[in-house]
Amino acid sequence: RKEVEQDPGPFNVPEGATVAFNCTYSNSASQSFFWYRQDCRKEPKLLMSVYSSGNEDGRFTAQLNRASQYISLLIRDSKLSDSATYLCVVNIANAGGTSYGKLTFGQGTILTVHP
Amino acid sequence: DVKVTQSSRYLVKRTGEKVFLECVQDMDHENMFWYRQDPGLGLRLIYFSYDVKMKEKGDIPEGYSVSREKKERFSLILESASTNQTSMYLCASLKRSEQFFGPGTRLTVL
Repeated sequence: RKEVEQDPGPFNVPEGATVAFNCTYSNSASQSFFWYRQDCRKEPKLLMSVYSSGNEDGRFTAQLNRASQYISLLIRDSKLSDSATYLCVVNIANAGGTSYGKLTFGQGTILTVHP
Repeated sequence: DVKVTQSSRYLVKRTGEKVFLECVQDMDHENMFWYRQDPGLGLRLIYFSYDVKMKEKGDIPEGYSVSREKKERFSLILESASTNQTSMYLCASLKRSEQFFGPGTRLTVL
């Protein structure tokens, strides 16, 4: 089983739509959670961290459910510029409790927003 | 702004060649990482380093080695390139909890 699994996608939505991405992680030692965004032929960049209480950044809302080991990203009022691959990312501590900032990435979900 | 640079955007090598991929960051970050990204497999960690001359294996270290002689530079070495090492290679450095990536090197091994 993969450590981080995402919706397979791709998602193809019209401008203005609301779209939700889901992600599950298998390691209960996971400490930190993130969504990264990767544009076509570009490097990944941090979109937002995900906090236990849930957090919002403009049109983007991230949720974390530690009990279910589940992370989500909601995008409201989609824009053409939101078209990208969205990567669910988890930071997992080792047995000693450290991680060195190592991240484990999901495969990514492709989002295309069309006019 | 954090800047992570990689020595080449595109590279073509032959099977059996020794290949060096260089990564440089200008923000005095201690932790640096090498990934490869393949369709359907996502980003997979090859090696990382948490200090000069310190290195740790990632999830897929076989066929690779690394060098960190200076803090700003982290090199990935393919001792004898093989066709299954054709991939996009991404370097990253860590600031607090965020990884900053270089633009990537697309390596083709013929």
